[in-house]
Amino acid sequence: QQPVQSPQAVILREGEDAVINCSSSKALYSVHWYRQKHGEAPVFLMILLKGGEQKGHDKISASFNEKKQQSSLYLTASQLSYSGTYFCGTEGFGNEKLTFGTGTRLTIIP
Amino acid sequence: EADIYQTPRYLVIGTGKKITLECSQTMGHDKMYWYQQDPGMELHLIHYSYGVNSTEKGDLSSESTVSRIRTEHFPLTLESARPSHTSQYLCASSPGLAATGGTGELFFGEGSRLTVL
Repeated sequence: QQPVQSPQAVILREGEDAVINCSSSKALYSVHWYRQKHGEAPVFLMILLKGGEQKGHDKISASFNEKKQQSSLYLTASQLSYSGTYFCGTEGFGNEKLTFGTGTRLTIIP
Repeated sequence: EADIYQTPRYLVIGTGKKITLECSQTMGHDKMYWYQQDPGMELHLIHYSYGVNSTEKGDLSSESTVSRIRTEHFPLTLESARPSHTSQYLCASSPGLAATGGTGELFFGEGSRLTVL
């Protein structure tokens, strides 16, 4: 089943913070985060492997709660370049499939 | 920079035509994937491959078929296109997902946008 992301869409002013959540009904080995700008291919942001792991990428960080099968992406002091649709991708055990979530459209306005 | 290429980028065809979407990568990746995405919508996995002579169906049922005769090439074919096949098709490759010891990252091509009239 497809992971569910929330919120579906969010509009921020430049400099504000946002949190995007990803929830799966299946046991997860890893969670990926990708950003897709309009008319472009998705671009890899980061992967989280362990329960409770947190990672950072510039002002974008994420956490992964393995027990709850949930991940959150944190965007701080958002920039105009952060606009796009964010997808989580979940990897289960025993196969090479990456299943993407429902997506969150982020719009940053000046 | 990722070296994965898709052709054609745009294709408009009539109902009933046979089409093949090409995907090639020069990174030597064993794992390759096809995703289907309607504009502004979710990415749905329709096919994937572990390596040469391996193909698997994805999460979304698709009338398309794939083949993997060479590591670098993973074409997708529709024998008889219909308007319901209108969509964007994204190809991706990976050195392997994390559970199998890979780095996990998927590298995407720029996509093939198919319109069936």
